[in-house]
Amino acid sequence: EDKVVQSPLSLVVHEGDTVTLNCSYEVTNFRSLLWYKQEKKAPTFLFMLTSSGIEKKSGRLSSILDKKELFSILNITATQTGDSAVYLCAVDKDSNYQLIWGAGTKLIIKP
Amino acid sequence: DTGVSQDPRHKITKRGQNVTFRCDPISEHNRLYWYRQTLGQGPEFLTYFQNEAQLEKSRLLSDRFSAERPKGSFSTLEIQRTEQGDSAMYLCASSSPRGIEDEQYFGPGTRLTVT
Repeated sequence: EDKVVQSPLSLVVHEGDTVTLNCSYEVTNFRSLLWYKQEKKAPTFLFMLTSSGIEKKSGRLSSILDKKELFSILNITATQTGDSAVYLCAVDKDSNYQLIWGAGTKLIIKP
Repeated sequence: DTGVSQDPRHKITKRGQNVTFRCDPISEHNRLYWYRQTLGQGPEFLTYFQNEAQLEKSRLLSDRFSAERPKGSFSTLEIQRTEQGDSAMYLCASSSPRGIEDEQYFGPGTRLTVT
């Protein structure tokens, strides 16, 4: 059975800290892995990863995929209170277009 | 500026027809995103543009779906040979030039019904 597992489920850190969020997957016919950020509204797209070992970076956020070990990490450096959100990982598999979602990591940044 | 606008708000079409939707982002937002949301699901990423360059697109856009942003301002999403499974809300969002971690502002969406 296909599954996407995120860890930790929740994380509380102080402003300025660096955090690493994990997403592991067991999915047949993997195509790509996506990271989303969800605050009060709908999830918003962060990164899409299809190739192993290539880091994607935008500002203080970065992400990388390991297709051999079947996981991805999302790093956030110099965290700010605005980074507080649920971070969702989803995998696109080679079938009808339907994402398999992880449960999310709830990140709280304390001032 | 009143925010992100989308047109039309509702579209009913027969299976097999082509449809095109338009999104006007907040002015000076250089990033524009398209999502699809079906009942009971969260929005699923389709593609995003930085100015006129299409930087990422999901697998869905390799089939009957295509998006353009020719002048780096408004964008269009076209679905060819629509199927009943295409019935969904199509959402557009834009964000500021400062970085991807900045907030995305969503438009009201275009609800597509394929009969």
